[in-house]
Amino acid sequence: DTQMTQSPSTLSASVGDRVTITCRASQSIRSWLAWYQQKPGRAPKLLIYEASSLESGVPSRFSGSASGTEFTLTISSLQPGDFATYYCQQYNVFPWTFGQGTKVEMK
Amino acid sequence: QLQLQESGPGLVKPSETLSLMCTVSGGSFSSTSHYWAWVRQPPGKGLEWIGAFFYDGSTYYNPSLKSRVTISVDRSKSQFSLRLNSMAAADTALYYCASHEYGFGLRAWGQGTLVAVSS
Repeated sequence: DTQMTQSPSTLSASVGDRVTITCRASQSIRSWLAWYQQKPGRAPKLLIYEASSLESGVPSRFSGSASGTEFTLTISSLQPGDFATYYCQQYNVFPWTFGQGTKVEMK
Repeated sequence: QLQLQESGPGLVKPSETLSLMCTVSGGSFSSTSHYWAWVRQPPGKGLEWIGAFFYDGSTYYNPSLKSRVTISVDRSKSQFSLRLNSMAAADTALYYCASHEYGFGLRAWGQGTLVAVSS
């Protein structure tokens, strides 16, 4: 299986901060990586697909990038509605696998 | 817009079989570019992919669950189902159905259904 190691597990930040979450794949997944946002009691929501493509309707403060097997989700200026848990997921090969999640909480 | 809705029992006894249904509306269930998937999330924990099927009938399962899981489809009703046998306490989770549009990731999700395993 392709392991996805996501860091940090928790991140404390303030409104307006630039936030970066990293996900490392245990082997090449090319660019087949997605990022999701999940709020309590809600289903995950797709933010980024193919490592760096912004899903329709998602604010442009969210961006994704890739360098080899390391992937990054950046929120350029954290907004109140962005406090949530974020997951990466590879869909290059079965079984699809998720990172452990990063909870972005208020500092 | 594609919509998915899970249905099934909220409580299952240990060793019994869980059967969940996902009803798809607002799009083509026979699309050649969609996988139809199940994902679960134990309370307070992360997401775990259970399995998926493709329009051509191919099915893919998480190896950790493969011996216990079956995903099947009823195209006439735009539904797909999950069967997970030999349920145990560790299978208590929120179960989601979702659609993966080829290349895009899991774009549409159901609201999830909580399944508890208890005698």
